[in-house]
Amino acid sequence: DGGITQSPKYLFRKEGQNVTLSCEQNLNHDAMYWYRQDPGQGLRLIYYSQIVNDFQKGDIAEGYSVSREKKESFPLTVTSAQKNPTAFYLCASSDRDDYEQYFGPGTRLTVT
Amino acid sequence: SQKIEQNSEALNIQEGKTATLTCNYTNYSPAYLQWYRQDPGRGPVFLLLIRENEKEKRKERLKVTFDTTLKQSLFHITASQPADSATYLCAPRRGFQKLVFGTGTRLLVSP
Repeated sequence: DGGITQSPKYLFRKEGQNVTLSCEQNLNHDAMYWYRQDPGQGLRLIYYSQIVNDFQKGDIAEGYSVSREKKESFPLTVTSAQKNPTAFYLCASSDRDDYEQYFGPGTRLTVT
Repeated sequence: SQKIEQNSEALNIQEGKTATLTCNYTNYSPAYLQWYRQDPGRGPVFLLLIRENEKEKRKERLKVTFDTTLKQSLFHITASQPADSATYLCAPRRGFQKLVFGTGTRLLVSP
């Protein structure tokens, strides 16, 4: 069964703690993305990676970090430097020669 | 900067009618534009892609138009059903393998 998995679905953390969100895909896609979605706002791009061992900042990268050591995995770390980390986080992937993005089910992070 | 505008107010229609959603963009000329469906608490799902040289694209009950002069795309669902109730996101291309997403319009189809 091909697709993108994100875990966990819900995550709770205390302020000041770093937290890593998992994203795995078995679609053999080169490109992977992390978005953040807040109520009343569109999806905002945090980081993206077009190939293994390479990634670029999106529009709101401050307070986040990523790695792309394997083609199928693109974990996102929300650091304590992120001022408003509570949000719905979505991971996506796309093929080099295709244009549509395939999204995971999302992780809802709550920081208190 | 690139700006995408979708009607933030929910669109309420009766089952069987045609729903029309609008996407306006400013300050750039995307090579293509995509539409996605998003259900509450879930990730978006791709529906249709239309390129700048295509005026119209159809898929089953869905139809998308792309007017590069008006900088606007219209998304139509004909013979709408309650199961079509969801938020629909417009996403013009922003660069190689990158999209910019609108805030989405919520569609409610009542029986």
